[in-house]
Amino acid sequence: GNSVTQMEGPVTLSEEAFLTINCTYTATGYPSLFWYVQYPGEGLQLLLKATKADDKGSNKGFEATYRKETTSFHLEKGSVQVSDSAVYFCALGGGNKLTFGTGTQLKVEL
Amino acid sequence: DAGITQSPRHKVTETGTPVTLRCHQTENHRYMYWYRQDPGHGLRLIHYSYGVKDTDKGEVSDGYSVSRSKTEDFLLTLESATSSQTSVYFCAIRPGTQETQYFGPGTRLLVL
Repeated sequence: GNSVTQMEGPVTLSEEAFLTINCTYTATGYPSLFWYVQYPGEGLQLLLKATKADDKGSNKGFEATYRKETTSFHLEKGSVQVSDSAVYFCALGGGNKLTFGTGTQLKVEL
Repeated sequence: DAGITQSPRHKVTETGTPVTLRCHQTENHRYMYWYRQDPGHGLRLIHYSYGVKDTDKGEVSDGYSVSRSKTEDFLLTLESATSSQTSVYFCAIRPGTQETQYFGPGTRLLVL
């Protein structure tokens, strides 16, 4: 079945540092891939998505590239801010459902 | 704003009591979902609906039932709540033309 593995957290960075959160997946076919973000006390919000191999999703300075050869969809940002502190979820689509990773908490400090 | 509300937002109940959570959408989307969120598990699908009176089980459906008598409402019922059902419950909707799901604000349930 489909599964998503993402790096354990929490990840603690200083403001303006470079961020990478790793995500790899197992799936049949060519699923769509997603990153969602959850701020404290809120629901999940779509951050970005990619629907086919080599697509790059981007939003709010975050980027992720759909890599079929490595079955990965790593999230990156060049310079994080305190306001980026949140939990980030990688997910893959298929069969009317989304399969989520366990989430990675990011803490950004001044 | 995907027009999704959940009620109640917080609830404390006792073991063995029935509990119903409500998800309401304003945009008449066909697909609706219930998830639970627990530390170390991410989001896990409980049940989902693909139309009025059309529902199917997710990966953690035991102890839960759902109903959808109107397009806009999707109800999740815990027939006899247990402490293991203490969790944060999220509803999501999906426009039929895409795979993206949009989430409600969540309901925090504590079963004592």
